[in-house]
Amino acid sequence: DSGVTQTPKHLITATGQRVTLRCSPRSGDLSVYWYQQSLDQGLQFLIQYYNGEERAKGNILERFSAQQFPDLHSELNLSSLELGDSALYFCASSVGAPRWTQYFGPGTRLLVL
Amino acid sequence: AQTVTQSQPEMSVQEAETVTLSCTYDTSESDYYLFWYKQPPSRQMILVIRQEAYKQQNATENRFSVNFQKAAKSFSLKISDSQLGDAAMYFCAYEAAGNKLTFGGGTRVLVKP
Repeated sequence: DSGVTQTPKHLITATGQRVTLRCSPRSGDLSVYWYQQSLDQGLQFLIQYYNGEERAKGNILERFSAQQFPDLHSELNLSSLELGDSALYFCASSVGAPRWTQYFGPGTRLLVL
Repeated sequence: AQTVTQSQPEMSVQEAETVTLSCTYDTSESDYYLFWYKQPPSRQMILVIRQEAYKQQNATENRFSVNFQKAAKSFSLKISDSQLGDAAMYFCAYEAAGNKLTFGGGTRVLVKP
């Protein structure tokens, strides 16, 4: 158990819908990262937050957004969902950034039908 | 852009034997970090080992060790005394000042009893 929690574990929804994925970092970690793992794209970095502020952005679609709250938990919002958004979404956290090891949560498996 | 390449899609090893996974990366940075993560069937991403580029000594963690060749930009993982629980996907990852992890495509390790 890495200490990073993600909810829900599984999510099944329809195209065009909107979902919110939640992540609670390890105690004491200030930095949160979101990654997407899909069969065709592999593991890709989406976005990073550090102590409530957006720090870095990767291949995140405009339909996706994220935020980190004062209690340091983070949410990833996915809207206007498409079939291709089906993937495993990971949250990771680290003490700081950069150079600190990232510890991953168990992931949220999203299936868009 | 940094890239990470794992040239072996799948490796098979007999229980108690040794297997070596290859990873090469491309970067113009001099200061960076390299990681191996394990992803078992549960899909959880588990940190196996970490190497700082400024350290000449190769990292070791129990039965796991790396061969870090900075000039060749090579970072291989050796699993000694392989166990059935080592069966998983293994991902090589790179991190520089941008904080994000860049992952290779993964190598599936099969352990034969």
